[in-house]
Amino acid sequence: GAGVSQSPSNKVTEKGKDVELRCDPISGHTALYWYRQSLGQGLEFLIYFQGNSAPDKSGLPSDRFSAERTGGSVSTLTIQRTQQEDSAVYLCASSLGGSDEQYFGPGTRLTVT
Amino acid sequence: AQSVTQPDIHITVSEGASLELRCNYSYGATPYLFWYVQSPGQGLQLLLKYFSGDTLVQGIKGFEAEFKRSQSSFNLRKPSVHWSDAAEYFCAVGLNTDKLIFGTGTRLQVFP
Repeated sequence: GAGVSQSPSNKVTEKGKDVELRCDPISGHTALYWYRQSLGQGLEFLIYFQGNSAPDKSGLPSDRFSAERTGGSVSTLTIQRTQQEDSAVYLCASSLGGSDEQYFGPGTRLTVT
Repeated sequence: AQSVTQPDIHITVSEGASLELRCNYSYGATPYLFWYVQSPGQGLQLLLKYFSGDTLVQGIKGFEAEFKRSQSSFNLRKPSVHWSDAAEYFCAVGLNTDKLIFGTGTRLQVFP
């Protein structure tokens, strides 16, 4: 079946603009995760959804970052007033929840100029 | 705080040689443990995982890992490396049912 998909695959934006990154999880997966991969910080957890609620937002780096999930499926990560340090690859993963394996999407490469 | 350490940033081996990638974790209890591989331009793929039971875990692509509680380690091994194994390898700790804490990764280079 289809894996986790993310769009866009690449995004270049100017400093100060807002961006939206989209994640389509595997059908039936109730848990959804966002991570960020950058040169200086490695792979960092951002936020976790179980269904439409986010019990763990502890990794969001600032209040410029927000995420939502609707219908227990698609999720959008929004970064407002982007800064150069937001440049990274944003990875989405989904799972059946519990201790089930997380399946990762190909990521969105964000470049802030 | 929970953490994962991969002490080797970059490892180079010859094709056919054995491989061991090190991973140590810091956590108050036995966590879920994972190894992921990331090839250039690709997403993360799970190689293997440890939740409980047998401490020697077999994974895909001929990889195995051994959980050693006394050493807080979960090292990844492969008896004979293939050129296609060149990639970046990440060890991760799963905390309960949500986030993964990743190590900084080990980049593997394979020479013919």
